[in-house]
Amino acid sequence: GQNIDQPTEMTATEGAIVQINCTYQTSGFNGLFWYQQHAGEAPTFLSYNVLDGLEEKGRFSSFLSRSKGYSYLLLKELQMKDSASYLCASMDSNYQLIWGAGTKLIIKP
Amino acid sequence: GAGVSQSPSNKVTEKGKDVELRCDPISGHTALYWYRQSLGQGLEFLIYFQGNSAPDKSGLPSDRFSAERTGGSVSTLTIQRTQQEDSAVYLCASSLAGGRYDRQPQHFGDGTRLSIL
Repeated sequence: GQNIDQPTEMTATEGAIVQINCTYQTSGFNGLFWYQQHAGEAPTFLSYNVLDGLEEKGRFSSFLSRSKGYSYLLLKELQMKDSASYLCASMDSNYQLIWGAGTKLIIKP
Repeated sequence: GAGVSQSPSNKVTEKGKDVELRCDPISGHTALYWYRQSLGQGLEFLIYFQGNSAPDKSGLPSDRFSAERTGGSVSTLTIQRTQQEDSAVYLCASSLAGGRYDRQPQHFGDGTRLSIL
């Protein structure tokens, strides 16, 4: 079956670095997406990886290892506004997104 | 340009009533998705429209749920004889799709928060 696993909740301190992991098993693979979702709001696109390695985009970076079925989202210099849920989604062979349940990130001062 | 627009933003109705939710995708986006999200949960795929192709209805939870997309643009999701377990946020997303655009990110509307009393 198809499955996406990510931690339910994480806590980090303002100014620090946090890594949110995601493992996936999908029928075929056409890339891995990360979305951010603030409470009560729609998900917004953060990153897309289809090749192995690290993609850096400002304070956020995303990593992919296709052989391990593994990705992580790295958030640096955490700000209070980064408190949100982070959704991992793998695109299968039919170009459909299989979504994880999301990781709720709590930032403390 | 305008993003994905959904209406109503909130809907409260009694159990057993029918409801209709509307989604207006980004102009030019050929792919349209409906998802359901319960409190604290991930996104549950409901249905996918791509151009003029037959929709992928594999995620619809029961025959009380149906959706249509007229003219390749606006879509409506209809839930008949609503049940309390239908209470959730219903999210619509659109994307460029087809060929080299298949890996484009989905852009989400703000959702309709549906509450069944």
